[in-house]
Amino acid sequence: IAGITQAPTSQILAAGRRMTLRCTQDMRHNAMYWYRQDLGLGLRLIHYSNTAGTTGKGEVPDGYSVSRANTDDFPLTLASAVPSQTSVYFCASGEVAGANTGELFFGEGSRLTVL
Amino acid sequence: GQNIDQPTEMTATEGAIVQINCTYQTSGFNGLFWYQQHAGEAPTFLSYNVLDGLEEKGRFSSFLSRSKGYSYLLLKELQMKDSASYLCAGLDSNYQLIWGAGTKLIIKP
Repeated sequence: IAGITQAPTSQILAAGRRMTLRCTQDMRHNAMYWYRQDLGLGLRLIHYSNTAGTTGKGEVPDGYSVSRANTDDFPLTLASAVPSQTSVYFCASGEVAGANTGELFFGEGSRLTVL
Repeated sequence: GQNIDQPTEMTATEGAIVQINCTYQTSGFNGLFWYQQHAGEAPTFLSYNVLDGLEEKGRFSSFLSRSKGYSYLLLKELQMKDSASYLCAGLDSNYQLIWGAGTKLIIKP
């Protein structure tokens, strides 16, 4: 299937546990992003990667880590989850802006609840 | 600082026209995006403006004025399926998207 896939779609997690959200795209996009979306706030960038092997910090990186071992995969890890990380997480991919309109393609989201 | 402002919620009638406004302040400017997001779903791309003026795409049009830091999304012949949140996002000089909180559009019969 073409597109971008996230897993799991929903998860309830105890505080202090480690959690990895998976993201895979098959569009060969260079850039990938992780956002969180909270009620009343815009999408906030957690981490990004402009190409395989490189990553960068976004607006709200604390408590999260990412890796980009290849073009297709961009997992997001919460080392020790806290209740404030309860949110909907979206993975997105696109060409690095400048190559085209910079349109992003989003996964369906992962709803994470930390108790 | 960088900021995107758009109304929190709007209501319109099926078959009518609605205009959703967005003002932006970004460090540099490389374009303005509109995305549609239905409840519980992922955002999907609607439009991109980098030059001043109106871009028309079917029932949806998007306008940009760079001198005023202003954009709007115009939706014509509203349908019930247009009930969604509409996200405005500016692309800054580092090619990072700055997102507004979204405008929830409620369509009434």
